[in-house]
Amino acid sequence: EDQVTQSPEALRLQEGESSSLNCSYTVSGLRGLFWYRQDPGKGPEFLFTLYSAGEEKEKERLKATLTKKESFLHITAPKPEDSATYLCAVPSGGATNKLIFGTGTLLAVQP
Amino acid sequence: AAGVIQSPRHLIKEKRETATLKCYPIPRHDTVYWYQQGPGQDPQFLISFYEKMQSDKGSIPDRFSAQQFSDYHSELNMSSLELGDSALYFCASSLGRSPLHFGNGTRLTVT
Repeated sequence: EDQVTQSPEALRLQEGESSSLNCSYTVSGLRGLFWYRQDPGKGPEFLFTLYSAGEEKEKERLKATLTKKESFLHITAPKPEDSATYLCAVPSGGATNKLIFGTGTLLAVQP
Repeated sequence: AAGVIQSPRHLIKEKRETATLKCYPIPRHDTVYWYQQGPGQDPQFLISFYEKMQSDKGSIPDRFSAQQFSDYHSELNMSSLELGDSALYFCASSLGRSPLHFGNGTRLTVT
């Protein structure tokens, strides 16, 4: 059964304190791994798609990496506005966008 | 840029009532998805439509139905509402295999 596990569940950082979020996945035939950001009461906002081990993508203070079993979202020198829940997801059942989400990491960045 | 529009933003219903949620995808997107997100949970796939035909089905109760109309907007119809149906309902759209873009959801409260 396809599965996505994220850790930690919650993370509190001081502004400027870099860290990484983890997403472990079990899926038959990876057809992409997606990272989303979700603010309270809002829909997930697309960040990155990674397709193959070794691939990296960057956007501002965020960098996503992918191995054969997990993905990391590295946050460099975070700011309070980076506070959100970060979700990773993989397609399931042969469909590109029928996504299975992890339960997310709630990130709080304190000034 | 145009985003996915959902209405209403909030909806309060009583048990056993019916509810209709509406979704207007990003222009030219050909696929619409519905997800349900319970309190503190990750989004769960319900159903999707490609070019107005149902393309995939997830954990959608038999009490729920959905369709996509000729103008590509979609409606999720929910009958015999139960307390456990209280959740955020997200619609998302995509063009082909492009990543999902989510709306800001409808918060349904069943009392």
